[in-house]
Amino acid sequence: RKEVEQDPGPFNVPEGATVAFNCTYSNSASQSFFWYRQDCRKEPKLLMSVYSSGNEDGRFTAQLNRASQYISLLIRDSKLSDSATYLCVVIRMDSSYKLIFGSGTRLLVRP
Amino acid sequence: NAGVTQTPKFRVLKTGQSMTLLCAQDMNHEYMYWYRQDPGMGLRLIHYSVGEGTTAKGEVPDGYNVSRLKKQNFLLGLESAAPSQTSVYFCASSHPRDGSNEKLFFGSGTQLSVL
Repeated sequence: RKEVEQDPGPFNVPEGATVAFNCTYSNSASQSFFWYRQDCRKEPKLLMSVYSSGNEDGRFTAQLNRASQYISLLIRDSKLSDSATYLCVVIRMDSSYKLIFGSGTRLLVRP
Repeated sequence: NAGVTQTPKFRVLKTGQSMTLLCAQDMNHEYMYWYRQDPGMGLRLIHYSVGEGTTAKGEVPDGYNVSRLKKQNFLLGLESAAPSQTSVYFCASSHPRDGSNEKLFFGSGTQLSVL
């Protein structure tokens, strides 16, 4: 079982739709959580951090559920430019310092 | 600021050849990483470094070596390339503070094909 798991998708949604992705993690030593965005054949870029209290950045909302060990990303009013792969990233700090990437969820927003 | 610069961007090797990928960052970051990305696998950590002169193994270190002789540079070496090492390689750097504001800065990637 992968330490960080994501539904690979693709999620195919029309413009204006609301879409949500989940990411589950298995290691309870996980301490910090992030969502990265990766466009085709490009490098990943930080989209937003995920805080215990939840956080919002414009049309994007991220939430953390420590009890169930998952994080979520909600995108409202989807734009064509939101089409990308969304990577879940977990930082684990037990005996070593590790960033663990999920394999990503692909989003396609159609006109 | 150039950020994180990787060279080369593309390379084709024959099985058994060696090569070195160079990663340079101008942000004075302490941490540097080498990842590989394969279809359906996400990014997997090869090696990382938490400071000049230090290196550590990641998730998939076999067949690779690294060096961090200078803080700004992190080199990834393939001593004897194998077709299984065909992948896209990303270098990244970060300057973690309290762990909750970690942001990775990535290079633009190196597409490596081993024939």
